[in-house]
Amino acid sequence: GQSLEQPSEVTAVEGAIVQINCTYQTSGFYGLSWYQQHDGGAPTFLSYNALDGLEETGRFSSFLSRSDSYGYLLLQELQMKDSASYFCAVSSLMNRDDKIIFGKGTRLHILP
Amino acid sequence: SQTIHQWPATLVQPVGSPLSLECTVEGTSNPNLYWYRQAAGRGLQLLFYSVGIGQISSEVPQNLSASRPQDRQFILSSKKLLLSDSGFYLCAWDSGTGNEKLFFGSGTQLSVL
Repeated sequence: GQSLEQPSEVTAVEGAIVQINCTYQTSGFYGLSWYQQHDGGAPTFLSYNALDGLEETGRFSSFLSRSDSYGYLLLQELQMKDSASYFCAVSSLMNRDDKIIFGKGTRLHILP
Repeated sequence: SQTIHQWPATLVQPVGSPLSLECTVEGTSNPNLYWYRQAAGRGLQLLFYSVGIGQISSEVPQNLSASRPQDRQFILSSKKLLLSDSGFYLCAWDSGTGNEKLFFGSGTQLSVL
């Protein structure tokens, strides 16, 4: 089967750096992505990693290690508006169908 | 540019009543389409996905069904709603070309009473 593990909650201080980890187990894996969701809203795409290494997009970076089945989202210079839930998601190809499965999400609390 | 429309935004239905949620995508062709459900404070559960017209894959056995009558239209249905069907339903699409960026609709908050 498929499974993703990420912490349920993380707390950090405004202006600091926080890392949200994600480990996954799936067959047919070909990519890991991250989404942000504010309360009452729909998830929005942040980043996607298909290859090992770090992808940087502004204050957000995402890392993938395929050999370790592990990735993380790094948020720098935290702002209050970054308070949200963050989901990792794996893309897999099974039986010629590709699908995207989400983790349970990490609630990020930011303190002033 | 591509847009996704999902309606209604909010729905309150009695137990045992039918359900029909509709989602349409504009500005792209042959997208992969998805239905997810999110319980309050929880993760996104994949319900159905479709790689083409009439092609539906179900992830979770339940009293829900999905159909894709047109390339850019995805419908979630139920003949008889259960209390456990309450939740936030999200339609999404991606291009299916490997960039794996999902675009979500604004969601439907369904309350079954």
